[in-house]
Amino acid sequence: DADVTQTPRNRITKTGKRIMLECSQTKGHDRMYWYRQDPGLGLRLIYYSFDVKDINKGEISDGYSVSRQAQAKFSLSLESAIPNQTALYFCATSDPGLAGVNEQFFGPGTRLTVL
Amino acid sequence: RKEVEQDPGPFNVPEGATVAFNCTYSNSASQSFFWYRQDCRKEPKLLMSVYSSGNEDGRFTAQLNRASQYISLLIRDSKLSDSATYLCVVNLDNYGQNFVFGPGTRLSVLP
Repeated sequence: DADVTQTPRNRITKTGKRIMLECSQTKGHDRMYWYRQDPGLGLRLIYYSFDVKDINKGEISDGYSVSRQAQAKFSLSLESAIPNQTALYFCATSDPGLAGVNEQFFGPGTRLTVL
Repeated sequence: RKEVEQDPGPFNVPEGATVAFNCTYSNSASQSFFWYRQDCRKEPKLLMSVYSSGNEDGRFTAQLNRASQYISLLIRDSKLSDSATYLCVVNLDNYGQNFVFGPGTRLSVLP
């Protein structure tokens, strides 16, 4: 079973709709992240959380919100979806572990299309 | 200037070839460095961390030049299964909130 899961895997929606993407992990990591990936661009950080109730904005948080309901769950919401939010969304976790390593583990991604 | 830049690619090489990817980063305060591999339509996965002294993992060798703010990845004896996009990742600190991803370099290994 996958350690980091995302639901849904694919979603098509219309402009103005509210959308929630869910992420769950069984790795026991405190740190969780939401990224989006667009063709030709690197992954860009939307929000991150280092613990339950800890929420921090990333590079491109406008138009998004998140909720960290439990250590294992981190959800991303698009309050009013717009077409330029069409992208591949990844959830990731990490654990400080050994100094300087800090590997991130990614979920399988959610492909979101906003019409 | 983008924070992390990579060779745009794509690189098309025959099996058995040696191929090198380059990456530059703009923030001299960057603390740690990684190469991730991403298969088409899949999630990124850590290939290897990059240490100051350089490090090797089988056919893969990573080098870091802090003075030039430059990272490289060398793949020897390329396999068909090496075909993927390789992402250069820089962490601006060791607290895990400042990972910056490059756009990736796509590699196709041809039979």
